[in-house]
Amino acid sequence: DAGVIQSPRHEVTEMGQEVTLRCKPISGHNSLFWYRQTMMRGLELLIYFNNNVPIDDSGMPEDRFSAKMPNASFSTLKIQPSEPRDSAVYFCASTPRGLGANTEAFFGQGTRLTVV
Amino acid sequence: KQEVTQIPAALSVPEGENLVLNCSFTDSAIYNLQWFRQDPGKGLTSLLLIQSSQREQTSGRLNASLDKSSGRSTLYIAASQPGDSATYLCAVRGGSYIPTFGRGTSLIVHP
Repeated sequence: DAGVIQSPRHEVTEMGQEVTLRCKPISGHNSLFWYRQTMMRGLELLIYFNNNVPIDDSGMPEDRFSAKMPNASFSTLKIQPSEPRDSAVYFCASTPRGLGANTEAFFGQGTRLTVV
Repeated sequence: KQEVTQIPAALSVPEGENLVLNCSFTDSAIYNLQWFRQDPGKGLTSLLLIQSSQREQTSGRLNASLDKSSGRSTLYIAASQPGDSATYLCAVRGGSYIPTFGRGTSLIVHP
């Protein structure tokens, strides 16, 4: 398997523009997580999906952020409008079916977002 | 709410030293604990996964232990090499099923 695939790898956009980040989880994985990483705050969970359903979105900063998972093989994180403080690396992760002790989390390579 | 702390935040050592990185967590009701490595500008690479019923896991020069009752895990790196330089993160997965991360330990191994 190719692992968790994120696109784009880098995104530079102007303040106020809409940004869409994409994630393809590992086939067969039923849990998907979006994280944001900054120097100040480390890795923060934004939203967690299980079987394509959002379970916990308490980490989504504000209404400018939205996430969808229309099917088991695709998820998007959208920021509209973007602001300079959204600049960060955004990671997507997936875990296998089941929520037991042997469910290892696999991460994508991340999308480095810069809002100018 | 689960909180994960990693000590030290940064470490610089000469090549060949044996190292211990620490991870502590506040809620001992966990499913597993996972150690990751992150190189600058890169994603997270899984190193070791310890299930809640296990005491330790080994992979090559890496050994991770888990003491669930005291809320602690250690990552032991034997005979460190410059290629081990990276940030090491631990993540705990508990009742919420969400991996919760520490801030990481930034390791530099100099020749």
